[in-house]
Amino acid sequence: DTGVSQDPRHKITKRGQNVTFRCDPISEHNRLYWYRQTLGQGPEFLTYFQNEAQLEKSRLLSDRFSAERPKGSFSTLEIQRTEQGDSAMYLCASSFSGGTYYEQYFGPGTRLTVT
Amino acid sequence: KNEVEQSPQNLTAQEGEFITINCSYSVGISALHWLQQHPGGGIVSLFMLSSGKKKHGRLIATINIQEKHSSLHITASHPRDSAVYICAVRNQGAQKLVFGQGTRLTINP
Repeated sequence: DTGVSQDPRHKITKRGQNVTFRCDPISEHNRLYWYRQTLGQGPEFLTYFQNEAQLEKSRLLSDRFSAERPKGSFSTLEIQRTEQGDSAMYLCASSFSGGTYYEQYFGPGTRLTVT
Repeated sequence: KNEVEQSPQNLTAQEGEFITINCSYSVGISALHWLQQHPGGGIVSLFMLSSGKKKHGRLIATINIQEKHSSLHITASHPRDSAVYICAVRNQGAQKLVFGQGTRLTINP
């Protein structure tokens, strides 16, 4: 499978715990995006990387959230001290960059439930 | 900030009907996407367009840049078309997508 993969697909955690999600983009894609989608809503942008550089962060990304892409390949999104409001689907997407805009390919998402 | 509005929010139709989903946005864009999301969360890109019209099988997407409006049409709808359809735009000079809230489509046999 050469698509975008995310792990885990589902995560249930207790409030206050830390969680970490992983995204593996399509191998030749140098841009990687994280989005969050709450029930019944469209996704919202969180952050994006070009290679290992984090180029933009949304105001939605509070101090409890951190994302990394250390070698410009896979990325991790960590949420510290989870709150019930963090319950959502976390989506990763990747794209190639060049002179023109290339479309984003989405992974299956990680569904987080905070109890 | 670009505001993306979709209508209707929910749509139920009978198999075979012609379906139209609308998307309006407030600020000039570089590209507009139509995406399909099935239960379970996976998102599939249907179209990316910046002008005119694109067709793929029974799906047709149009965009009017001057009116800041796009439509997604499904001809001869089928129960397997049941999904959430999401419009997303990329603002000029930006990389991230700004999404509409989605349209939940149900096609009954």
